[in-house]
Amino acid sequence: KAGVTQTPRYLIKTRGQQVTLSCSPISGHRSVSWYQQTPGQGLQFLFEYFSETQRNKGNFPGRFSGRQFSNSRSEMNVSTLELGDSALYLCASSLGAEYTDTQYFGPGTRLTVL
Amino acid sequence: AQSVTQLGSHVSVSEGALVLLRCNYSSSVPPYLFWYVQYPNQGLQLLLKYTSAATLVKGINGFEAEFKKSETSFHLTKPSAHMSDAAEYFCAVILYSSASKIIFGSGTRLSIRP
Repeated sequence: KAGVTQTPRYLIKTRGQQVTLSCSPISGHRSVSWYQQTPGQGLQFLFEYFSETQRNKGNFPGRFSGRQFSNSRSEMNVSTLELGDSALYLCASSLGAEYTDTQYFGPGTRLTVL
Repeated sequence: AQSVTQLGSHVSVSEGALVLLRCNYSSSVPPYLFWYVQYPNQGLQLLLKYTSAATLVKGINGFEAEFKKSETSFHLTKPSAHMSDAAEYFCAVILYSSASKIIFGSGTRLSIRP
């Protein structure tokens, strides 16, 4: 069974631009979560989607948004990019919405903002 | 509130030596605990998880962890380190009372000396 895939793997943008990242979960998984990983802040939760609905949201500004499609694929969007948005963005999928469902991570998208 | 603390941001051991990565949690309820590994430029891979069954949990790649309620610890061990074990390791806990399903520790980078 194929794992979680994320596209693109690497991205370079300039301040003020916007970016869209894509995540395809493991087949059959309905929950997708997004995380931001930086050397300074570590792994921080962005949001979680289940059956096309945002269930939870972390403490990030409104510039960060996401959505989930009927096939469970998810996208996250960051508008008006800032230098501090440079990070590895990780997507994780799980079978359902239970807290105890194991999350499986993709390889991440490394975003560099110049 | 629940949180997780990893002692030591960097651990270095010789090849063939015991690996011990420390993780302590604080929780008001019985926790679910995880260890993930991250290789350079990759996402997180689940090593093992504790879900209130056996206190000694065996994972992949020869790793195991023991849940000790009295010490609020979930340390990760491997009897004999291999060069391929060099990576960053994250301890994580389920956080029922927050938006995020899972809270990660700050990570421990494991280096293996030849």
